[in-house]
Amino acid sequence: DIQMTQSPSSLSASVGDRVTITCRASQGIRSDLGWHQQKPGKAPKRLIYAASRLQSGVPSRFSGSGSGTEFTLTISSLQPEDFATYYCLQNNSNPPTFGQGTKVEIK
Amino acid sequence: EVQLVESGGGLVQPGGSLRLSCAASGFTFTTYWMSWVRQAPGKGLEWVAHIKQDGSEKNYADSVKGRFTISRDNAKNSLFLQMSSLRGEDTAFYYCVRAARNFDLWGQGTLVTVSS
Repeated sequence: DIQMTQSPSSLSASVGDRVTITCRASQGIRSDLGWHQQKPGKAPKRLIYAASRLQSGVPSRFSGSGSGTEFTLTISSLQPEDFATYYCLQNNSNPPTFGQGTKVEIK
Repeated sequence: EVQLVESGGGLVQPGGSLRLSCAASGFTFTTYWMSWVRQAPGKGLEWVAHIKQDGSEKNYADSVKGRFTISRDNAKNSLFLQMSSLRGEDTAFYYCVRAARNFDLWGQGTLVTVSS
């Protein structure tokens, strides 16, 4: 199975900060990576697919980059509604695997 | 509206069985792989199983292989998860997910609690 190592596991940031979350795959997955946001008590929601493509309706402050084994989710200017947990997901090969999550909290 | 709506969760005793359902609407169900993903309380996301458009191919996580069965009824735009020999560690929210391009659509989830 491909292991997805996500870092950091949590971070504290202020509104307006630039935030970067990293996901590393244990083997190459091309660009078969998505980023999902989950707010407390809610289902996850896809933000990014194919490593860098923004889901329709998602604010442009979210961006994704990377290919192969190293991937990054960036929030250019953190907004109050962005405080949530973020997960990466690879489905390049079976089984699909998620990173362990990054909880973004208010400083 | 494009949506997935799960049902069938509840409290079940260890060793028991439960069948989850997912009703799809607003899109052409027959053109998508579909998955189940679960999340234990306070924990991360775990893929459980997926099924090909025509039901001819199915894959399972090792943690549920031999105990869970995924199926679909394309005539009724429905996805199912038959769970048997349930254990405490199966306690989780279960999400129905459309598996296109890194899982593009999630249901709201249904809670399964395995406890005596």
